[in-house]
Amino acid sequence: NAGVMQNPRHLVRRRGQEARLRCSPMKGHSHVYWYRQLPEEGLKFMVYLQKENIIDESGMPKERFSAEFPKEGPSILRIQQVVRGDSAAYFCASSPAGGGQPQHFGDGTRLSIL
Amino acid sequence: DQQVKQNSPSLSVQEGRISILNCDYTNSMFDYFLWYKKYPAEGPTFLISISSIKDKNEDGRFTVFLNKSAKHLSLHIVPSQPGDSAVYFCAARFTGGGNKLTFGTGTQLKVEL
Repeated sequence: NAGVMQNPRHLVRRRGQEARLRCSPMKGHSHVYWYRQLPEEGLKFMVYLQKENIIDESGMPKERFSAEFPKEGPSILRIQQVVRGDSAAYFCASSPAGGGQPQHFGDGTRLSIL
Repeated sequence: DQQVKQNSPSLSVQEGRISILNCDYTNSMFDYFLWYKKYPAEGPTFLISISSIKDKNEDGRFTVFLNKSAKHLSLHIVPSQPGDSAVYFCAARFTGGGNKLTFGTGTQLKVEL
């Protein structure tokens, strides 16, 4: 499967714990995007990364959330000290270039906070 | 501030008929529009897109129409099939906006036998 791979598919955390969500882009894609979908809502942009660079983090909450896309390995979305309101589906997408190419999505990580 | 709006949360159509899904936007800077289809527990799948320099784009059973003056686009599916039952999201971006997509809230399409 050469698609966008996200893991885990489901993640349960207690309030105050850390959540780490991983995303491996499609082969040949160097741009990664993270989106969050709350129940009954559309996807909301969080952050756009290239290898070792954050290009646009205008959708990221100012506290507790961070993202990286290292030279080697998957992109990581990290949520520290999770709260109930962080419960959502988190989708990763990738594209081969910064513009003009549709983004292709993974199947998401469903984060539940107890 | 919902810049991309899909005002119909759901739509039911009979198999073989046309499905028309609508989308409105408020940001006149948007210059590229996409439709994604989403099944439960899966990620969105890209369907079709259109640049603002065009008013129509067709791919098999799917056609997207863009009316820039009305800030409105629509997705036509002809003929509709039961496998088309899914949530359809309209999305938009603009040049210089970093390729981030702004999504509508989705329309649940149900194609009935």
